[in-house]
Amino acid sequence: ELKVEQNPLFLSMQEGKNYTIYCNYSTTSDRLYWYRQDPGKSLESLFVLLSNGAVKQEGRLMASLDTKARLSTLHITAAVHDLSATYFCAVGDSGGGADGLTFGKGTHLIIQP
Amino acid sequence: KAGVTQTPRYLIKTRGQQVTLSCSPISGHRSVSWYQQTPGQGLQFLFEYFSETQRNKGNFPGRFSGRQFSNSRSEMNVSTLELGDSALYLCASSLEGAEVLGANVLTFGAGSRLTVL
Repeated sequence: ELKVEQNPLFLSMQEGKNYTIYCNYSTTSDRLYWYRQDPGKSLESLFVLLSNGAVKQEGRLMASLDTKARLSTLHITAAVHDLSATYFCAVGDSGGGADGLTFGKGTHLIIQP
Repeated sequence: KAGVTQTPRYLIKTRGQQVTLSCSPISGHRSVSWYQQTPGQGLQFLFEYFSETQRNKGNFPGRFSGRQFSNSRSEMNVSTLELGDSALYLCASSLEGAEVLGANVLTFGAGSRLTVL
C-alpha cells in the first residue's frame, strides 16, 4: 500500500524567510504532484514531477524529485503572505495505471508579516 | 474555458438518507475522479471513471457508488448516510486516462460540502 508522508504538517514562518516542505512516499512511483489549497477553496495544481532529478520552479516555489530516495521537496524562497495556504503532495502508483492519487496530509503554511 | 463544475456546493442530510452529487468536467476531459476530504483522514480516493467505465475504486464501502455518462459528466451517490460521511467531496477531471504518463494532471472542482446530521 502506497503511503505518503509530509512534514511538517504545520508551519508558521515570517515573510522573507526560506523553508522546505518534505514529501516521502513508500513505494516506487513515476509521478508526483504538488497542489495548493486555500481555505474553503479547491485544490490548485502547482507542479508535476515525472522523473528522477526533476526540478520545477514557479515564482518563489521550487519543487524537486528524488525517486531513489522516494522524496520530493517544495522549497519556498523569500516567503510572502500570499503563499499562506495548505500544500499537498500526491503520488500516483508506478506504471501509470488508472489508480487514484495518494495524498499526503498536507502542510498548513502560515506566513506572517 | 469553464472549469470543473460541481453541484450542489452545500447540502445537509440526515442519517439514513441518500445523496447524489454531480460533476461536469472540463470540456474534452474524459477522465473523472472523485475524492473525499475530511479533517481526520485527509484526501482519499473514491473512484475514477473513463469513457463511462469505472477503472478503479478506493477503499470505501459499497454505499459509495458512481457513474459516468456519455458526455463525461459524472455523479456519485452515497446511500444510507452516516455521520462520518460528512466531508468535502471533490471531483477532478483530466484530459486523458491515467495510462498516459504525465497527462493525468487533475483539475479539481470547488467541491460539494456534505453535512450529515
